[in-house]
Amino acid sequence: DTTVKQNPRYKLARVGKPVNLICSQTMNHDTMYWYQKKPNQAPKLLLFYYDKILNREADTFEKFQSSRPNNSFCSLYIGSAGLEYSAMYLCASSRQRVNYAEQFFGPGTRLTVL
Amino acid sequence: GDSVTQTEGLVTVTEGLPVMLNCTYQTAYSDVAFFWYVQYLNEAPKLLLRSSTDNKRTEHQGFHATLHKSSSSFHLQKSSVQLSDSALYYCALSDPGTQVVGQLTFGRGTRLQVYA
Repeated sequence: DTTVKQNPRYKLARVGKPVNLICSQTMNHDTMYWYQKKPNQAPKLLLFYYDKILNREADTFEKFQSSRPNNSFCSLYIGSAGLEYSAMYLCASSRQRVNYAEQFFGPGTRLTVL
Repeated sequence: GDSVTQTEGLVTVTEGLPVMLNCTYQTAYSDVAFFWYVQYLNEAPKLLLRSSTDNKRTEHQGFHATLHKSSSSFHLQKSSVQLSDSALYYCALSDPGTQVVGQLTFGRGTRLQVYA
C-alpha cells in the first residue's frame, strides 16, 4: 500500500482558533513532509521529520508546529489561525536511503480560515 | 537557493495533438535530479518522471522529458494527448545539498486541459 492518508480533507476554522491536521502512511518511510499550496504558487515546504528529528523552514518556524508520535503518523498544528493560512496542505513521505527518492503524497487538506 | 520556473499556468490542447510543458531551473549545483509530478482532480500528486542524467530521454505513460543542463531545462512532452491527461503538472528539482533529506523545490505547476 503506497497510500498517504490525510484527515480531514476539508477544514473550516475561525481566525484565532487552533487547527490540527493529520497525516499517516504505512510504508515505513523515515521522512514525512508538510507543504503549503496556494493558488498559482509552488508548493512550499513548511517542515519535515527525518525519523524523530523535526526540521522547520526558517520563515515558517514560529507559525507551524508538528509532532510525530510514531513512524506512521505526523501532525501539523497551527496555534492561532489567520486568514493567510487558508491553503491546501499536502503531506508527503519518502525513504531517504534511496538516492533522489520519490515522495509519496496525500490528497491534501483544504483549510479555509474565516 | 534553487528555483524552478513553469511559465504557463494553463495549457489547453485538443485531443490527439502534441503538447510541451515548460520547465526551467536555476541551481548552483551540477549534480541535480528532476521530477515531474502529476495531480489529477481530487487526487494526490504522484510521480510521473524522474531523471538525473544529462541529455537522456526518460519516458513513462506516453510522456517523455530530457534533462538539458546546457539550457537548464526539463520540459515535459507528449506526442498525442488524451482527455485523461487533463491534470496539474509540477516540475521539481533536488540538489545534492537537499537530496540527503529528499527536499524538493517545486515550480508553481501547469494545468493541462485537453479538449475533445
